[in-house]
Amino acid sequence: GQQVMQIPQYQHVQEGEDFTTYCNSSTTLSNIQWYKQRPGGHPVFLIQLVKSGEVKKQKRLTFQFGEAKKNSSLHITATQTTDVGTYFCAVSTGGGNKLTFGTGTQLKVEL
Amino acid sequence: EPEVTQTPSHQVTQMGQEVILRCVPISNHLYFYWYRQILGQKVEFLVSFYNNEISEKSEIFDDQFSVERPDGSNFTLKIRSTKLEDSAMYFCASSLRTANTEAFFGQGTRLTVV
Repeated sequence: GQQVMQIPQYQHVQEGEDFTTYCNSSTTLSNIQWYKQRPGGHPVFLIQLVKSGEVKKQKRLTFQFGEAKKNSSLHITATQTTDVGTYFCAVSTGGGNKLTFGTGTQLKVEL
Repeated sequence: EPEVTQTPSHQVTQMGQEVILRCVPISNHLYFYWYRQILGQKVEFLVSFYNNEISEKSEIFDDQFSVERPDGSNFTLKIRSTKLEDSAMYFCASSLRTANTEAFFGQGTRLTVV
């Protein structure tokens, strides 16, 4: 089945530092979605990327889809304590829109 | 803002007992899903449901699991004979369309099997 790996597994940063998580697949992806899960919370949709090389921005968050559509990244500029949580990439497959989640990157932000 | 609601928020059950987890998807959505997340691990797909039937299920979704949409609003997950390893957070989700569309997740039901 579809496998999606994310690195790093954990990241501790000081508030104001940048953060990046990477998502990699061995197969070409039709799309990729990113979700954020706060501690004790549920996954919340952030964005979807569909086109090769696509870059989308949401305030301090920058999402990128690789040219070969096999990898993606999420970059947060100048992290804040509100950015704490686990960031998952997810791939939508099949006619039923099944989401295969990546392994996630847990971000902790220290003051 | 419309949201997916799940009940109960926490369920404790004895091994071997049956549990029913309930979900009310967003009203105009057509696709419904159950996912589970074992503590500290990634979110895993269980089943998708469309037009009153299962459209896809994972290898986790074996014969002890079933889903139902008993009326126009509720979507349920039944686990017939719970095992210790069924302890997890169960998330219901819904989406408006299929393919390349965001999924809206409920707050989850934490199932603890003792």
